[in-house]
Amino acid sequence: EVQLVQSGAEVKKPGESLKISCKGSGYSFSSYWIGWVRQMPGKGLEWMGIIYPGDSDTRYSPSFQGQVTISADKSISTAYLQWGSLRASDTAMYYCARRVAGFKDVDSWGQGTLVTVSS
Amino acid sequence: DVVMTQSPLSLPVTLGQPASISCRSSQSLVYSDGNTYLNWFQQRPGQSPRRLIYKVSNRDSGVPERFSGSGSGTDFTLKISRVEAEDVGVYYCMQGSHWPGTFGQGTKVEIK
Repeated sequence: EVQLVQSGAEVKKPGESLKISCKGSGYSFSSYWIGWVRQMPGKGLEWMGIIYPGDSDTRYSPSFQGQVTISADKSISTAYLQWGSLRASDTAMYYCARRVAGFKDVDSWGQGTLVTVSS
Repeated sequence: DVVMTQSPLSLPVTLGQPASISCRSSQSLVYSDGNTYLNWFQQRPGQSPRRLIYKVSNRDSGVPERFSGSGSGTDFTLKISRVEAEDVGVYYCMQGSHWPGTFGQGTKVEIK
């Protein structure tokens, strides 16, 4: 069974850095793209970017280019989403998801990581 | 980005009655390989999204038969033949044919 398990909720202050994680199991982690999705409070879903753990090929949605960094460590089947300097507007639920069919489809989701940025 | 427009955004339904959600894309979703990468997801309150339908009309394993997807090109529909209490939540369409992939605004299904 494919499982994506994300790290726990975080409370941070503006300007702080943060790295959240998504650990895959039940499949060949290196062979499937992993994407990150933002869901702001009471709002819809937005793709932030994707990474192919096999060779760390990374692609960002234009709206998130330069705002976050996506990485992966295939040796421990884990993908990451990180911020260098958080803003209050980064407060949201973040999901990782497995993209299939050459990243054109999505079949599995993590449970989500709630990030709260507040002074 | 390809814009996905869902309607209605709110859908009150009586238990046992049918429901239908429309999703329209700003560009054709037919990919160069001949497939149309249009999914439907259900997000129950407090949960992650769950895929119900992939490539327009293919139901995922474990998804009740009352859910069905149809459409082509730029117009797509999710139908629930008889709404049950467990169907309450927000439903999203998502296209994967054009990078980076985009979601509709979501349709909130609630029981009258």
